[in-house]
Amino acid sequence: DAGITQSPRHKVTETGTPVTLRCHQTENHRYMYWYRQDPGHGLRLIHYSYGVKDTDKGEVSDGYSVSRSKTEDFLLTLESATSSQTSVYFCAISVGGSSGANVLTFGAGSRLTVL
Amino acid sequence: DAKTTQPPSMDCAEGRAANLPCNHSTISGNEYVYWYRQIHSQGPQYIIHGLKNNETNEMASLIITEDRKSSTLILPHATLRDTAVYYCIVRVAWNYGQNFVFGPGTRLSVLP
Repeated sequence: DAGITQSPRHKVTETGTPVTLRCHQTENHRYMYWYRQDPGHGLRLIHYSYGVKDTDKGEVSDGYSVSRSKTEDFLLTLESATSSQTSVYFCAISVGGSSGANVLTFGAGSRLTVL
Repeated sequence: DAKTTQPPSMDCAEGRAANLPCNHSTISGNEYVYWYRQIHSQGPQYIIHGLKNNETNEMASLIITEDRKSSTLILPHATLRDTAVYYCIVRVAWNYGQNFVFGPGTRLSVLP
């Protein structure tokens, strides 16, 4: 799976608790992404990183923060989880394609349930 | 705000070709069209991408119209394992990177 590992794969937590999801890659790719997927919305970009300590907001960043202290790890944190953050979270890395177009490769996903 | 339009669902008989259409009328001249698919709740899987010319790989073929406003993904001999949601994607420039905007996609059901 292109060397992408997400953890935990499943988590149930209570409203108001902090949650951190981890994305780990083994191939030293510069760009990493966090998406969330909800029924009827496809995948929506939360945050992305374009290098160590370089991050930027995506479409749905409210309530989320990220950190990237080393190339291989991109962390997504929910400081105080809410029920609206119940979702499936996907990490992705951007890999250079054969024709110059970058291709996203996704992890297996982390299913988060906030009660 | 997806930049592509796809039918919500399609059926295809096993062993027949599956032709999935996509409209991307606002695509810029140097932007690629990507296709991904998602089986159940797994991570989306890359299929193919193209710019102007038709493309083929071991999974599928991609036909892009001359005006680049639409494209068709072709699975030449669909199997039951090809049942999935298929996404047609055009990237959007985003500050320091690019965002692959996923719409609802097309749910393809391959029938025995």
